[in-house]
Amino acid sequence: GQNIDQPTEMTATEGAIVQINCTYQTSGFNGLFWYQQHAGEAPTFLSYNVLDGLEEKGRFSSFLSRSKGYSYLLLKELQMKDSASYLCAGAAGNKLTFGGGTRVLVKP
Amino acid sequence: DGGITQSPKYLFRKEGQNVTLSCEQNLNHDAMYWYRQDPGQGLRLIYYSQIVNDFQKGDIAEGYSVSREKKESFPLTVTSAQKNPTAFYLCASSYSYNEQFFGPGTRLTVL
Repeated sequence: GQNIDQPTEMTATEGAIVQINCTYQTSGFNGLFWYQQHAGEAPTFLSYNVLDGLEEKGRFSSFLSRSKGYSYLLLKELQMKDSASYLCAGAAGNKLTFGGGTRVLVKP
Repeated sequence: DGGITQSPKYLFRKEGQNVTLSCEQNLNHDAMYWYRQDPGQGLRLIYYSQIVNDFQKGDIAEGYSVSREKKESFPLTVTSAQKNPTAFYLCASSYSYNEQFFGPGTRLTVL
């Protein structure tokens, strides 16, 4: 079976750092995706982790621990435009199983 | 420009009617997917297709049907058997084992 858990909502201040955690139980696990979704829009790709460790891409970083079934997305130097939902998705074969999404609200 | 298009953007349906949502991609991707998203929720997989003339049920296929007659097209029909069809519908495509690219979505409302 597939199960992805992430917090429902987080609030942070502009310029700060926020870490969004994701735990997963995915049969045939290939890797872990993170997507950003602004309200009413389509999700856009942020990162894909296959191996353990941290991958950094500008202000966004993503971490994966396969042995712990755990990932996080780190958003640094938060900007108002980062207010969005962040979706964690476990990959198995060609299929993705999505968590419920974490809504991040950035306050001035 | 390569990408995924969905139409219409907004769709209104009367109870008891079937409606078909269009999804077209010119990315030359083999795999295509349909997801449903309810307010404040994540994405749930309805159907997916890894190759032309073949498709598989996802987690919530009841009340929906699909076809994959061409590589570029993967239309979704929401039938009258779907009791709660009001939702945001997203189509996606991908090469095997890679990131999925999403279309802009269709918002379906049952009147």
